[in-house]
Amino acid sequence: QLQLQESGPGLVKPSETLSLTCTVSGASMNNPSYYWGWIRQTPGKGLEWIGSISYSVSPSGNTYYNPSLQSRVTISVDTSKSQFSLRVTSMTAADTAIYYCGNYDSNAFIIDTWGQGILVTVSS
Amino acid sequence: DIQMTQSPSTLSASVGDRVTITCRASQNIGNWLAWYQQRPGKAPKVLIYRTSTLKSGVPSRFSGSGSGTEFTLTISSLQPDDFATYYCQQHVTYPLTFAEGTTVAIK
Repeated sequence: QLQLQESGPGLVKPSETLSLTCTVSGASMNNPSYYWGWIRQTPGKGLEWIGSISYSVSPSGNTYYNPSLQSRVTISVDTSKSQFSLRVTSMTAADTAIYYCGNYDSNAFIIDTWGQGILVTVSS
Repeated sequence: DIQMTQSPSTLSASVGDRVTITCRASQNIGNWLAWYQQRPGKAPKVLIYRTSTLKSGVPSRFSGSGSGTEFTLTISSLQPDDFATYYCQQHVTYPLTFAEGTTVAIK
């Protein structure tokens, strides 16, 4: 059974960079039908899809980003460690949220499997 | 981006009630609409996709309908486990977008 687990800091200072990792178990990340993504949830904006990555022969994978965050976000994958990562630069208080990693497949872009979520607070 | 809206934002109901939640898309999304349930402190869980297809294990009291820009989620007989927040999401195109949610509370 596919399981996802987020890890990373719970507190980030304004203007700093957030780095989160999602560890995958129970499935191969090399399946080209799978997409590995990040979603965040805030009281003000609700659920927001940040972006996704899918396996490809290119080491960087195929990435898809929300245009609202694209200039600050990078998603990468390390299949040897069964992990994918999120990097968000220039963090502000508006980026305070619960960050979830998730999985979906190419048949329907619905988030089938979610991690438990990690609360990230931006504060000095 | 496709904007998603839901109504009502909150509803109060009793066990056994029939509950209907409406979701609207800012443009035609065909039948590419999913519904999620989220309980406090937990991640969302997908209930329905492609408007009316129930995920495996989801009780049959949940149903979805609609097409184009207007969709509904119906719970035929509300059970104690169903008091939660429900979100719709369009899954036709990037960026994937969610509505702001409907909280179903105990009356």
